[in-house]
Amino acid sequence: EVQLVESGGGLVQPGGSLRLSCVVSGFTFSSYEMNWVRQAPGKGLEWVSYISSGGNTIYYAGSVKGRFTISRDNAKNSLYLQMNSLRAEDTAVYYCARTHSSLYFEYWGQGSLVIVSS
Amino acid sequence: DIQMTQSPSTLSASVGDRVTITCRASQSTNSRLAWYQQKPGKAPKLLIYKASSLESGVPSRFSGSGSGTEFTLTISSLQPDDFATYYCQQYYSYWTFGQGTKVEIK
Repeated sequence: EVQLVESGGGLVQPGGSLRLSCVVSGFTFSSYEMNWVRQAPGKGLEWVSYISSGGNTIYYAGSVKGRFTISRDNAKNSLYLQMNSLRAEDTAVYYCARTHSSLYFEYWGQGSLVIVSS
Repeated sequence: DIQMTQSPSTLSASVGDRVTITCRASQSTNSRLAWYQQKPGKAPKLLIYKASSLESGVPSRFSGSGSGTEFTLTISSLQPDDFATYYCQQYYSYWTFGQGTKVEIK
């Protein structure tokens, strides 16, 4: 069974940092591209970042470029999102998602809530 | 960036109704269009990919159609489990979601 489990969310002050993790099981992690998607409270879905299976191709949404860093450790079946210089507008549930051949998102984690507030 | 616009934003319907949701792209997506269902407090679930291909395990009452810049998601006979929010997504150029359509009980 494919499983994706996010962790690392919480309350952080504006300007602070947080690192999200997504641990996967049930499939060969090193063979799949991955994405982070977020959803602000009561709002729609927003794509955040993409990483290729080997980690050598990375993309970011303009709203997080220069502040967030996506990475992965294929030996640990883990995906990460380092979030720096956090702003109130980064408050959201963050989902990791397995990507089918750089196309659509076929499996999602349950999400990790990040709240940026003083 | 490709912008995605869904209509309507909210739809009130009854069990058994035929429901159609429209998604328009600001430029052609070459049928690289997916639909997701999301229930409150849950992660999105893939329903349709490549505009009209049904994901494995998704009931056949769901169907997708369209090409170029205009796409539709149809639920042929609405079931109690289908009351949720639906999102379209283009994956032709990076990834962009529509704003969502909430299907609520009439």
